[in-house]
Amino acid sequence: GAVVSQHPSWVICKSGTSVKIECRSLDFQATTMFWYRQFPKQSLMLMATSNEGSKATYEQGVEKDKFLINHASLTLSTLTVTSAHPEDSSFYICSARTGVMETQYFGPGTRLLVL
Amino acid sequence: GQNIDQPTEMTATEGAIVQINCTYQTSGFNGLFWYQQHAGEAPTFLSYNVLDGLEEKGRFSSFLSRSKGYSYLLLKELQMKDSASYLCAVLDSNYQLIWGAGTKLIIKP
Repeated sequence: GAVVSQHPSWVICKSGTSVKIECRSLDFQATTMFWYRQFPKQSLMLMATSNEGSKATYEQGVEKDKFLINHASLTLSTLTVTSAHPEDSSFYICSARTGVMETQYFGPGTRLLVL
Repeated sequence: GQNIDQPTEMTATEGAIVQINCTYQTSGFNGLFWYQQHAGEAPTFLSYNVLDGLEEKGRFSSFLSRSKGYSYLLLKELQMKDSASYLCAVLDSNYQLIWGAGTKLIIKP
């Protein structure tokens, strides 16, 4: 199956710093990548959808200036949490697919802890 | 609105069979996915159904009835490692995945 990697897997940072998370499709070209957030014992929440070469589409309630998404190539998307605060601590997961009808494959996730 | 319903939690015994149901009401339908998510990990793909009927893949099978807006995931010969959350998701007319809240499956010895 398709492989998606994320880096880093764990981040601990101080409040006010910015954190960048990378999502890579290793063996396929991802026309679309998705960023999710999941709080403990809660459902996956879609934050944004990004298509290669265009601006990300953010879900309602997600601040685009706080969560910067870049999808500059068919194999790489980045999520930057700017000026992170403790309430941003969560499990961030990316997924990628090759086409609209194709399966979304998930990365292993990144745990962010903001102190 | 769009809605996907699945039971919150189910319990089954090791070696037994369990069926996890999912009903959906979405704007359009381009297929239904089942994912498995172990605690603390990202979801992994299990199955995709776009036509009515049963798709079998080893111990796991997935069924779809589009006319009823209904799917189930059938797990046979349950193993302790099958303890996880099982997520039902529907690809709508805009090719967006609409997620259910997930069913936490607890396997007891």
